[in-house]
Amino acid sequence: QVQLQESGPGLVKSSGTLSLTCVISGDSISSNDWWSWVRQSPGKGLEWIGDIYHSGTTNYNPSLKSRVTISVDKSRNQFSLKMTSLTAADTAVYYCARVNNFYYYMDVWGTGTTVTVSS
Amino acid sequence: QSVLTQPPSVSAAPGQTVTISCSGAYSNIGNNYVSWYQQLPGTAPKLLIYENNRRPSGIPDRFSGSKSGTAATLGITGLQAGDEADYYCGSWDSSLSSGVFGGGTKLTVL
Repeated sequence: QVQLQESGPGLVKSSGTLSLTCVISGDSISSNDWWSWVRQSPGKGLEWIGDIYHSGTTNYNPSLKSRVTISVDKSRNQFSLKMTSLTAADTAVYYCARVNNFYYYMDVWGTGTTVTVSS
Repeated sequence: QSVLTQPPSVSAAPGQTVTISCSGAYSNIGNNYVSWYQQLPGTAPKLLIYENNRRPSGIPDRFSGSKSGTAATLGITGLQAGDEADYYCGSWDSSLSSGVFGGGTKLTVL
């Protein structure tokens, strides 16, 4: 059974940098899938942040591209999200998910981690 | 504002049928596959429909998906109280080179 688990600081300072990690169990990050980050602000809908293939190829949400970096760590079977220049608008639950390579759907999701940006 | 457009809310009585629409453009729904997700309160989204109309194992056949042109529809028959949730459509946008979601639809079972 494939499981994803997000981890990272629950509280970060405004103008600072957020770093989150998603650990994969039951699957290999080098499988023929993409790995994605999605967030959900309080009371709002899902927002796609970006994704990465094990080769290191990435795609980013155009509205976040200048502040976001997604990377892969094959040795630890995990991938990470880094987001800079944080504001209160980045307060959200952050999810990682496995994405089917051919038909682009997210079939496995982590439980999510709550990030609060404080001033 | 979301790239894909969904109604904010729908409602129906137990046992009834409800449909949720998802409208997009050629660059996303029109030229790519649509997926649907169910998000129960306080939980992570769960895949409900993929490849426009296919159900993962364990998803009852009360849930169905369809696509026509640049629009997709999620159908739920035999509504149950446990179906109360937020539902999201998703796709890939070839012009943006990004994943996209609808704004979500809150289903209320009366």
